[in-house]
Amino acid sequence: NAGVTQTPKFRILKIGQSMTLQCTQDMNHNYMYWYRQDPGMGLKLIYYSVGAGITDKGEVPNGYNVSRSTTEDFPLRLELAAPSQTSVYFCASSYSSYSRAATGQYGYTFGSGTRLTVV
Amino acid sequence: QQPVQSPQAVILREGEDAVINCSSSKALYSVHWYRQKHGEAPVFLMILLKGGEQKGHEKISASFNEKKQQSSLYLTASQLSYSGTYFCGTDVLTGGGNKLTFGTGTQLKVEL
Repeated sequence: NAGVTQTPKFRILKIGQSMTLQCTQDMNHNYMYWYRQDPGMGLKLIYYSVGAGITDKGEVPNGYNVSRSTTEDFPLRLELAAPSQTSVYFCASSYSSYSRAATGQYGYTFGSGTRLTVV
Repeated sequence: QQPVQSPQAVILREGEDAVINCSSSKALYSVHWYRQKHGEAPVFLMILLKGGEQKGHEKISASFNEKKQQSSLYLTASQLSYSGTYFCGTDVLTGGGNKLTFGTGTQLKVEL
C-alpha cells in the first residue's frame, strides 16, 4: 500500500499566486486532515473532512480552501499566497471509529509533506 | 487549546530512560503519541483512551491520568533510533471523532 501520497514535495510561490496541494490515500480511511507545521509551533489543523462531500474548518483556515469529492482525495487550495503561508504542509488520514483503537489502527497516517515557500 | 508538553528538549546517553509529559486544560477523550525525525513525517506510536489505560510499544510505553488530564510517555533503555521530536495529540470529543490538537513537541537526542 502507498498510504498517504502528497504532491508536490517542494514549491516556491510568488506573493499573490495560487496553487493546489494534492493528497491521496489508499487505505479507505474516511477521515482526512490538513496540518501546517511551523518551527517550534507543532502542527496546526487547517481543515478536515469526515467523509466525501463533508469538510470543516480547523484552527487556522484563513487563506485556504478544501474539497472532498471522493474518499481517496483531499486537495488543499491556496488562494493569493502570502509570506505567512510559508510552512511545511502535512496531509493525514485515519479511521473514525474508536472501536479500532485496540488494534492500533486508529492513529493518523501522515503523508511525506510539502515544503512551501512564498516569496 | 494546545496541550503543553514538557520538557521542551532532552539529551540522553544510550541506555538511559526519559519521561515526556503532556497536559491539557480540557477534558480529554484520547491522547495520541507521535515521533517525527528531522525532515520526515510524524509516525504514530500509540493511542490512549480515557480510563487510565497504559499502553506499550517495545521499550516505549505511555499512561493517561484522566483526573489530571495528563499523559506521560516513557522511553526505557533508550537507543540512538529514539532520537527525534515527540508530539502528543489530544482529542476532546466524546467519541466518534478524531480531530487532534498537537503539542509543540519535545526534542529528544540520544547520544553514544
